Amino acid sequence: NAGVTQTPKFRVLKTGQSMTLLCAQDMNHEYMYWYRQDPGMGLRLIHYSVGEGTTAKGEVPDGYNVSRLKKQNFLLGLESAAPSQTSVYFCASSYGSGNTGELFFGEGSRLTVL
Amino acid sequence: AQSVAQPEDQVNVAEGNPLTVKCTYSVSGNPYLFWYVQYPNRGLQFLLKYITGDNLVKGSYGFEAEFNKSQTSFHLKKPSALVSDSALYFCAVRRGDFGNEKLTFGTGTRLTIIP
Repeated sequence: NAGVTQTPKFRVLKTGQSMTLLCAQDMNHEYMYWYRQDPGMGLRLIHYSVGEGTTAKGEVPDGYNVSRLKKQNFLLGLESAAPSQTSVYFCASSYGSGNTGELFFGEGSRLTVL
Repeated sequence: AQSVAQPEDQVNVAEGNPLTVKCTYSVSGNPYLFWYVQYPNRGLQFLLKYITGDNLVKGSYGFEAEFNKSQTSFHLKKPSALVSDSALYFCAVRRGDFGNEKLTFGTGTRLTIIP
């Protein structure tokens, strides 16, 4: 029972490079989220999706894009990485509308932008 | 807008003593409140939640939390701390209305249990 799986777990990029983080969940959850975690700032929502084919902006969406082509996958893309995007990224998922908000998290992806 | 404040970055407690991790919130309407725990190099794990009903909610690993509407607080408690409770704890809030699925997290409190 894998739950929420993130790949890759670690990545080092140079400024201006692009990359994609993949999140996969096997719980048939409708909702998926991408957060970033920075020291002293807690978790901040980047983008989220309330179902296959839909995405929406969170509180810190600039510099990121997302896609939800399949229900079980939620991709986070950085088109031109910047040092300010050095962070730990967490994917999470939850049941559909009407749920009481419990999130299931992946193990995190640590990204360093030089 | 909704927000969560965790006023203590660090809490140190001797093993066997009771522990409290503080959380206050601001949200319009009825709050849904949550506590999550993060162990080193791991994702967050759900501990407990308050949705409605009894103000004292019990969760995993012997933790409990008390919802206080007048003080807009949701403090996490445990009667007797274990060294294995050492971790980073996050409080989170969302509006309790249909369709608003976004949680807002606090900045976290690092709990260290001293043997």
